Amino acid sequence: GENVEQHPSTLSVQEGDSAVIKCTYSDSASNYFPWYKQELGKGPQLIIDIRSNVGEKKDQRIAVTLNKTAKHFSLHITETQPEDSAVYFCASSGYSSASKIIFGSGTRLSIRP
Amino acid sequence: KAGVTQTPRYLIKTRGQQVTLSCSPISGHRSVSWYQQTPGQGLQFLFEYFSETQRNKGNFPGRFSGRQFSNSRSEMNVSTLELGDSALYLCASSPRTGGEETQYFGPGTRLLVL
Repeated sequence: GENVEQHPSTLSVQEGDSAVIKCTYSDSASNYFPWYKQELGKGPQLIIDIRSNVGEKKDQRIAVTLNKTAKHFSLHITETQPEDSAVYFCASSGYSSASKIIFGSGTRLSIRP
Repeated sequence: KAGVTQTPRYLIKTRGQQVTLSCSPISGHRSVSWYQQTPGQGLQFLFEYFSETQRNKGNFPGRFSGRQFSNSRSEMNVSTLELGDSALYLCASSPRTGGEETQYFGPGTRLLVL
């Protein structure tokens, strides 16, 4: 069935360094790939998304890349700051008549001062 | 614009009871989806409602049900609660239904079943 694998499960980086989270999806019909950030006690917040007709998208310190051939997509955070500490989820969904997101298992990102 | 709101935020129930959770979507959004989040299973899709009709359903037992009202507000019901139903239940809304629609999440309702 549909599956999204996310690595690593935990990531600790020095403040100011970059962080990279990678995901692989199984459903070749997937064409929408959102990334969510979840802070303690809150629901997931959309931070960036990419659609299959685009290979890369950037928003300030955050960028996402997509390789549809390999079914890989990645989140890149540059110049990390303490407020970037959170759990990050990749997700995918396919073109269909209904909304349904398949989530990765999450990456707990910690920024060391 | 106000975000997605969920009530109650916290709930404690005992096994065998039933529970109803409520979700108010972002104004103008007509699709509401529900997800269950647990440490062991992660974020799992429960179901989606659009125009008061269930459009899609995840792999959960029939004890989990929902409905949507004409103002797009949605409720989720779990009957005959089990210990394993303890989780954070998240509601997400989007303007329309469809796999490419961006979904916006509420803060969740944390349910503890004793």
